[in-house]
Amino acid sequence: GAGVSQSPSNKVTEKGKDVELRCDPISGHTALYWYRQSLGQGLEFLIYFQGNSAPDKSGLPSDRFSAERTGGSVSTLTIQRTQQEDSAVYLCASSFAAGGPSYEQYFGPGTRLTVT
Amino acid sequence: AQSVSQHNHHVILSEAASLELGCNYSYGGTVNLFWYVQYPGQHLQLLLKYFSGDPLVKGIKGFEAEFIKSKFSFNLRKPSVQWSDTAEYFCAVNAYTSGTYKYIFGTGTRLKVLA
Repeated sequence: GAGVSQSPSNKVTEKGKDVELRCDPISGHTALYWYRQSLGQGLEFLIYFQGNSAPDKSGLPSDRFSAERTGGSVSTLTIQRTQQEDSAVYLCASSFAAGGPSYEQYFGPGTRLTVT
Repeated sequence: AQSVSQHNHHVILSEAASLELGCNYSYGGTVNLFWYVQYPGQHLQLLLKYFSGDPLVKGIKGFEAEFIKSKFSFNLRKPSVQWSDTAEYFCAVNAYTSGTYKYIFGTGTRLKVLA
């Protein structure tokens, strides 16, 4: 079946530009997560959605970062006025629900963002 | 604050050697525990999980992990590694805290298995 998809797979942008990253979760999954993966930094949690609401935005690094989810499905992560330190792989994951005994996450392939 | 610690950042083993990767978490309540693996060029995927019952859980490809509640640990083991186990391994904890679910990942351990 279809897994989590992300687009674009690669994005090169100039410092100061805005970028939008998209995530299509697995159909029926109510929880959606965004992470940032930098070399040597592991997985940095950014935000998660339960349905269209975001109970936990604690990981967003600055007010340049925002995310939304519509229709309980597609999510967009927006980075405004990109900086070089924003360069990383942005991962999206979805799960059947946000918590519980067996609600593992299913990850997408990621978007590699390079800010020049 | 809740955290997950993976003590080994890089591990190099020869084929057939035994593997144990450490994972400790800090959270006093009920937790669900996971190990994820990322093979080179592939997505992160679930290796195994624990939520209740037998603290020794078995996953795919011969991996197992033991939950020791008193030590807040969930170490990953494999008796005999293969070259194809070369990957990055992440421990993760899922817990309900401060009115929301938290899903916290460790920083990962890069395993290289020499043929």
